[in-house]
Amino acid sequence: NAGVTQTPKFQVLKTGQSMTLQCAQDMNHNSMYWYRQDPGMGLRLIYYSASEGTTDKGEVPNGYNVSRLNKREFSLRLESAAPSQTSVYFCASQGFPGQGDEQYFGPGTRLTVT
Amino acid sequence: GNSVTQMEGPVTLSEEAFLTINCTYTATGYPSLFWYVQYPGEGLQLLLKATKADDKGSNKGFEATYRKETTSFHLEKGSVQVSDSAVYFCALGDSGSARQLTFGSGTQLTVLP
Repeated sequence: NAGVTQTPKFQVLKTGQSMTLQCAQDMNHNSMYWYRQDPGMGLRLIYYSASEGTTDKGEVPNGYNVSRLNKREFSLRLESAAPSQTSVYFCASQGFPGQGDEQYFGPGTRLTVT
Repeated sequence: GNSVTQMEGPVTLSEEAFLTINCTYTATGYPSLFWYVQYPGEGLQLLLKATKADDKGSNKGFEATYRKETTSFHLEKGSVQVSDSAVYFCALGDSGSARQLTFGSGTQLTVLP
């Protein structure tokens, strides 16, 4: 099993450009999450999808959109990138209730917006 | 709402020293508690967890006990190694339907040979 995979690993954008970060999991997990990690701030939840077909805002959703394409895939889109979105982005997945509440993380995407 | 307060770093220790990283939390209900570790350039990995009061989670020589009376989940290791150098995150799992995780800000640990 590959677990949680993310593409790309690194990306540089100019202000105003758009891009989509891809995430896929092969653990048959129900729930998926997008976080951003900034120095000294831990991880902050951007959006999550509790199950296929549903998405909800997290703590810092402004400037982002998400799509739960199917059970395996959950993408994060920046429509018009801003320097404040320079960060490391992590995708995570989580099993059904009763399977344990831990989340499994991908390796991250390091995004720089100039 | 839920919150996690974690000992600020960075922490620098010599090899074989004793490690404690403090973590306290605020939550409603009966959350699960986690420690995650992040090695340089990688994603977070689950280190250990505890799902109810007085449970002790352990893995790779690390331990943490879920203390409801002090709302704490301190991470300990008796003898650290250079390979333990990483960032450690304490996290709280929502006991409600959303099952979200709330993370502390992380503690950078460096172990010197």
